[in-house]
Amino acid sequence: GDSVTQTEGQVALSEEDFLTIHCNYSASGYPALFWYVQYPGEGPQFLFRASRDKEKGSSRGFEATYDKGTTSFHLRKASVQESDSAVYYCALGDPSGGYKVVFGSGTRLLVSP
Amino acid sequence: EAAVTQSPRNKVTVTGGNVTLSCRQTNSHNYMYWYRQDTGHGLRLIHYSYGAGNLQIGDVPDGYKATRTTQEDFFLLLELASPSQTSLYFCASSDQLANSDYTFGSGTRLLVI
Repeated sequence: GDSVTQTEGQVALSEEDFLTIHCNYSASGYPALFWYVQYPGEGPQFLFRASRDKEKGSSRGFEATYDKGTTSFHLRKASVQESDSAVYYCALGDPSGGYKVVFGSGTRLLVSP
Repeated sequence: EAAVTQSPRNKVTVTGGNVTLSCRQTNSHNYMYWYRQDTGHGLRLIHYSYGAGNLQIGDVPDGYKATRTTQEDFFLLLELASPSQTSLYFCASSDQLANSDYTFGSGTRLLVI
């Protein structure tokens, strides 16, 4: 079945550091890929999506590029702030291979001032 | 603004007790979902629905019932609550099943003692 793998369970950075959170997927079809962010005490929020190979999604300074060749959708930000501390979920939606969005296990980002 | 509202925000019940978690969406979305979130497991789908009167089984349905009474309202029922059901529960809605972003509620924290 479809799956999403986030290799980092937790990432600790200092303000202004560069962020990369790795996301790899496995799907039978051509899925849409998503990033969600969850702040403490809140539900996950949609960050952005990409639907085709080489498409870049972006929002709030975060970006990720759909790479069908490496089956990846890594989240990047050039300069993180303390307010970016949250849990980040990668997800895929594959209309042909599945019947719902599949979420990764999440990566907790801690940014210290 | 599109919204998903969950109630109650917090709930404590005893083992064997009866609990109903409520969710209302004002997004005019077709699909609604119930997830549980536990440390180390991320988001796990319990049940979902694509319209009033419809119910689909998710990935972790044991011990849970759900009912979609209207386009807006989706309820999660625990008829014999157990301590293993202590968790943070999220409701979400979406326009499509696999190809659109989800809007999540703020969650209900359930403690079964």
